[in-house]
Amino acid sequence: QQQVKQSPQSLIVQKGGISIINCAYENTAFDYFPWYQQFPGKGPALLIAIRPDVSEKKEGRFTISFNKSAKQFSLHIMDSQPGDSATYFCAASITNAGKSTFGDGTTLTVKP
Amino acid sequence: DTAVSQTPKYLVTQMGNDKSIKCEQNLGHDTMYWYKQDSKKFLKIMFSYNNKELIINETVPNRFSPKSPDKAHLNLHINSLELGDSAVYFCASSQDTGRDGYTFGSGTRLTVV
Repeated sequence: QQQVKQSPQSLIVQKGGISIINCAYENTAFDYFPWYQQFPGKGPALLIAIRPDVSEKKEGRFTISFNKSAKQFSLHIMDSQPGDSATYFCAASITNAGKSTFGDGTTLTVKP
Repeated sequence: DTAVSQTPKYLVTQMGNDKSIKCEQNLGHDTMYWYKQDSKKFLKIMFSYNNKELIINETVPNRFSPKSPDKAHLNLHINSLELGDSAVYFCASSQDTGRDGYTFGSGTRLTVV
């Protein structure tokens, strides 16, 4: 049973465009929803995260939208840049359970 | 200063060998993890330690044995390596079982030939 479903698997966006990656979860006990960015040869790095008591969080060009009733959340990257080209993972966790469950990843390519 | 450091970065070994990967964090975190990333980039948790105690042990073959000598270190020993063990192994750490996310190391690429 895949607890966190992520789409699309890959995404190509023109420079300056908006990149949108979606995730859906099943377990209503999840209480923390981070997004990680991974460049080739590097470990995932925490990008932005949200808790279910808010519907949106924005940090610079990155925004998480969260829909608790639909059990969905998404990452929006505004004014996408070639340097944003990376693999993005959504995750969901129960913070006192000691593990995060990751989506399958989205490979984003931003064309100049 | 590297926050979560893993050694070695690359490991090429023959089937049947035993190998270890070391991980150290200098963030003062109390929880450490091992994740496996396969060739399709899927990330799967293997183990989680909180204050040196094992709290998560996913369905990992018992050829994999983690050891946490103290809160800052979590090592992974693998016996009788198999071709299917080839992957990138990531160590990570967090405070309070991840209430503010994880900090990952740069990974160890294990290739079994």
